[in-house]
Amino acid sequence: EVQLVQSGAEVKKPGESLKISCKGSGYSFTSYWIGWVRQMPGKGLEWMGIIYPGDSDTRYSPSFQGQVTISADKSISTAYLQWSSLKASDTAMYYCARLTVVTLDWYFDLWGRGTLVTVSS
Amino acid sequence: QLVLTQSPSASASLGASVKLTCTLSSGHSSYAIAWHQQQPEKGPRYLMKLNSDGSHSKGDGIPDRFSGSSSGAERYLTISSLQSEDEADYYCQTWGTGIGVFGGGTKLTVL
Repeated sequence: EVQLVQSGAEVKKPGESLKISCKGSGYSFTSYWIGWVRQMPGKGLEWMGIIYPGDSDTRYSPSFQGQVTISADKSISTAYLQWSSLKASDTAMYYCARLTVVTLDWYFDLWGRGTLVTVSS
Repeated sequence: QLVLTQSPSASASLGASVKLTCTLSSGHSSYAIAWHQQQPEKGPRYLMKLNSDGSHSKGDGIPDRFSGSSSGAERYLTISSLQSEDEADYYCQTWGTGIGVFGGGTKLTVL
């Protein structure tokens, strides 16, 4: 089965670090970009950044550049999203999604179920 | 600047049809988009990729009730024979020069 499996919900305090994961299976993990998408409570979807696990080429949305780090370990077909110092405003659901590229068209065609991150003192 | 504009809400009756709209910003009318559905308390699900000529390719398992069409800078998602489980948020998505873009989403209520 083609799927992305995300790590479980996290509850953290402000200032703590965190790394969440997204494991791909059922397809060639190194042949597709993986993206991370934030959804704050009651809000829409926001693109954060993408990584190509084949060579770790990484691109960030200007809104998230410097705020998070995206990485991947192709040997275990897993992508990561990490924070070095969480803020209460990082409280959100985070989704990973596979990005398919057809000529100049890039679109998400497979989604994980999401990881809820709650940051509270 | 690449922007996708969606109406915040729409409604239609059970069994009827509804057409949702996603509008590309000026200068970007040739762009393809993707439609995604997010049912309450669930993650998004890919519905289809929709090209500027109206051709589209749907995701696995997406019912025939879902179809797409295009006109100029507008991209449409039509859902026919509405069912209760179609009540959801619908997002369009595209890609600029190294930048991913989502529309603000349309909340569809099935009456």
